[in-house]
Amino acid sequence: NAGVTQTPKFQVLKTGQSMTLQCAQDMNHNSMYWYRQDPGMGLRLIYYSASEGTTDKGEVPNGYNVSRLNKREFSLRLESAAPSQTSVYFCASSAGTHQETQYFGPGTRLLVL
Amino acid sequence: EDQVTQSPEALRLQEGESSSLNCSYTVSGLRGLFWYRQDPGKGPEFLFTLYSAGEEKEKERLKATLTKKESFLHITAPKPEDSATYLCAVQGPGNQFYFGTGTSLTVIP
Repeated sequence: NAGVTQTPKFQVLKTGQSMTLQCAQDMNHNSMYWYRQDPGMGLRLIYYSASEGTTDKGEVPNGYNVSRLNKREFSLRLESAAPSQTSVYFCASSAGTHQETQYFGPGTRLLVL
Repeated sequence: EDQVTQSPEALRLQEGESSSLNCSYTVSGLRGLFWYRQDPGKGPEFLFTLYSAGEEKEKERLKATLTKKESFLHITAPKPEDSATYLCAVQGPGNQFYFGTGTSLTVIP
């Protein structure tokens, strides 16, 4: 099993450009999450999906949209990238049946110029 | 305000020198407390989940404990390969998770 996979691993964007970060899990988990990690800030929850067909805002949702494509895949979209969105983005999944231990992907490093 | 605070920010230990990392939280309605290890350039790796005060979990040289307001990660006789950043996270009501900023551990041979 690959666990949680993310693409791309690294991306450079210009201010105003858009892009989609992809995440997939093969653990048959119900819940999926998107976080960003910035120096000195810790991991902050952007959006999560408790189950297929549902999404909810986390702590820092502004400037992002998400899509739970199916049970396996959860994408994060930046419609108009800003330098403040320069960060490392992590996707995670959990079983979601009162067992919320999260398993993380390797991350996407995004630089917005 | 829901908050998770980890201390110290950084810790340097000699190989074999035991110590403890602290995670204090003010999240109401705790549903779970999680410890992760993160190596540079990688995603967090799950270590432990604790659900109620008094609970303890062990894995090799690591032991996690939980009280009503804080958790400790005890490291016994650490080795250089234990060097990493250790993250604490708390699940509040719903699927809201709050992470601390981590403790960077360096174990010197």
